[in-house]
Amino acid sequence: NAGVTQTPKFQVLKTGQSMTLQCAQDMNHNSMYWYRQDPGMGLRLIYYSASEGTTDKGEVPNGYNVSRLNKREFSLRLESAAPSQTSVYFCASSELGLGETQYFGPGTRLLVL
Amino acid sequence: AQKITQTQPGMFVQEKEAVTLDCTYDTSDQSYGLFWYKQPSSGEMIFLIYQGSYDEQNATEGRYSLNFQKARKSANLVISASQLGDSAMYFCAMRESYTGGFKTIFGAGTRLFVKA
Repeated sequence: NAGVTQTPKFQVLKTGQSMTLQCAQDMNHNSMYWYRQDPGMGLRLIYYSASEGTTDKGEVPNGYNVSRLNKREFSLRLESAAPSQTSVYFCASSELGLGETQYFGPGTRLLVL
Repeated sequence: AQKITQTQPGMFVQEKEAVTLDCTYDTSDQSYGLFWYKQPSSGEMIFLIYQGSYDEQNATEGRYSLNFQKARKSANLVISASQLGDSAMYFCAMRESYTGGFKTIFGAGTRLFVKA
């Protein structure tokens, strides 16, 4: 039982390059989330998927796209990376419900030069 | 508009003493959930405690308790008998419902330093 896994762990991109961050969970959770964490900003919600087949914008969706490939997998794509997207990206999953805890992946450190 | 406010960027506490980390939130919903997470220097996010908006009793989990004051919209975390291993970032979060599901918004965090 791996929980939430993210790949890659670390990535360096040049401005304008594209990449996809992968996330998978094995807890059979309905909901999945992508956050970014910048120093002093806490975690900011980029996109979320309440259930398979649905996605919604969070607080900071510009410059990103997502795909809920199936119940297990939720990917985040940067089409044209910018230095402002240098951050640590966390994927999380949870069951539906107000009291449901989110389980987080280990994070992906992205540096855009 | 900031929905979760943590006004203490950094806090110091002496080992074995209690410490309160502040959190205020803003919502017009009657039903919501409040969470605290810990992030040690290793980077992972660890769930600590949960309080539902309709829970009348303050939540407790071991050395952690949540001081929930609904009218003031505050959900402060109290850590009793601090330990060196409590040194970490602490995030307050609020979970709200929307058409189709739920989403969670986090505060900016408070960094806690426990002194020996």
